[in-house]
Amino acid sequence: AQSVTQLGSHVSVSEGALVLLRCNYSSSVPPYLFWYVQYPNQGLQLLLKYTSAATLVKGINGFEAEFKKSETSFHLTKPSAHMSDAAEYFCAVRDNAGNMLTFGGGTRLMVKP
Amino acid sequence: EPEVTQTPSHQVTQMGQEVILRCVPISNHLYFYWYRQILGQKVEFLVSFYNNEISEKSEIFDDQFSVERPDGSNFTLKIRSTKLEDSAMYFCASSDGTNINTIYFGEGSWLTVV
Repeated sequence: AQSVTQLGSHVSVSEGALVLLRCNYSSSVPPYLFWYVQYPNQGLQLLLKYTSAATLVKGINGFEAEFKKSETSFHLTKPSAHMSDAAEYFCAVRDNAGNMLTFGGGTRLMVKP
Repeated sequence: EPEVTQTPSHQVTQMGQEVILRCVPISNHLYFYWYRQILGQKVEFLVSFYNNEISEKSEIFDDQFSVERPDGSNFTLKIRSTKLEDSAMYFCASSDGTNINTIYFGEGSWLTVV
């Protein structure tokens, strides 16, 4: 069975600071990995995905994530936080066997002026 | 940009009542999904639907739940006899046949069972 762990349910950064949201997964086979963002009162929007091509994946809004198989990690980063980045971020994994996404618990990002 | 739309955005229902949540997936998509998120908990997979039948379902998706694609555009989730623990945000999602890794989610339907 797959699982996803997001360390830190809440992360607070200052505007302009580095954003680092952590995600570790467990999967018996090479997975597909995703980051979704949920802005207040909105649905889940795909930020980026890893599907066994380049290990460094660039997404929308300046976010990127690096797949590290040895660490079973897929951490999300952004060099410089913007107030509009305040949202909840979800890491998710899917294996080759089916369509089901398994989500982490989510990390709420707060950006201070 | 095309989007998945869901109705209603909020619904309050009494325990034991039937509820139907509606979704209009993106028009050329072939795979349809329901997920739910109980307040304060993870987003959980309920069911996937392809070619007019359920392709995968979780343990949560018991006999109280059913899905249907009654016409060419709508995809519905029915909860036959709601329980208090069914209170959650329900997300509909869809993906196309060539890129099932890009799954588009709707804004969700808040269901409160009282």
